[in-house]
Amino acid sequence: DAKTTQPPSMDCAEGRAANLPCNHSTISGNEYVYWYRQIHSQGPQYIIHGLKNNETNEMASLIITEDRKSSTLILPHATLRDTAVYYCIVIWPVSNTGKLIFGQGTTLQVKP
Amino acid sequence: GAVVSQHPSWVICKSGTSVKIECRSLDFQATTMFWYRQFPKQSLMLMATSNEGSKATYEQGVEKDKFLINHASLTLSTLTVTSAHPEDSSFYICSARDRHSSGNTIYFGEGSWLTVV
Repeated sequence: DAKTTQPPSMDCAEGRAANLPCNHSTISGNEYVYWYRQIHSQGPQYIIHGLKNNETNEMASLIITEDRKSSTLILPHATLRDTAVYYCIVIWPVSNTGKLIFGQGTTLQVKP
Repeated sequence: GAVVSQHPSWVICKSGTSVKIECRSLDFQATTMFWYRQFPKQSLMLMATSNEGSKATYEQGVEKDKFLINHASLTLSTLTVTSAHPEDSSFYICSARDRHSSGNTIYFGEGSWLTVV
């Protein structure tokens, strides 16, 4: 599975969009980009995933660059409850049994 | 969406005793589940892969005789911390993959806090 690089921390004002970047320059053609977040003292929560097209769901949008070497998770209107550690993980879901290796992620602090 | 549930959410046990944590997939079957451990202000660390009907696979450095894993059915995996010591106090989290979800999404339990006194 390709390695990912994320900034250790970011701040965002409440109500503004939070844009969390992730670099995955060694991603292969079959690998997907998954985003999870972990709110303090809870298990990780699935947010969104994508292969090469931009994706949107009720929680967030995922923008993947054309060369797929990086992506950005967008929380359109951040709230205080979005304060969490966000993890970007690259895996090939067909072959992966569900084993995820977590990096340090990005700690997003949403401020009033 | 799919749900993975853990029980208990938190437990306090005496040093030297054993404690069991359950992980259930509530609306899907999982032939494989995963156990993680997380210390304060650190990321999740994969401990082992729980395989239904066969032995668990442990990550390097994780003692298989101390962290017993049983995956007796397609919806239940258990982690037993044997002869617990204060240094085993941690946040334990399980996960499972829903093969029928879009993208074979992996879901996590709520986590179980273990405090050994």
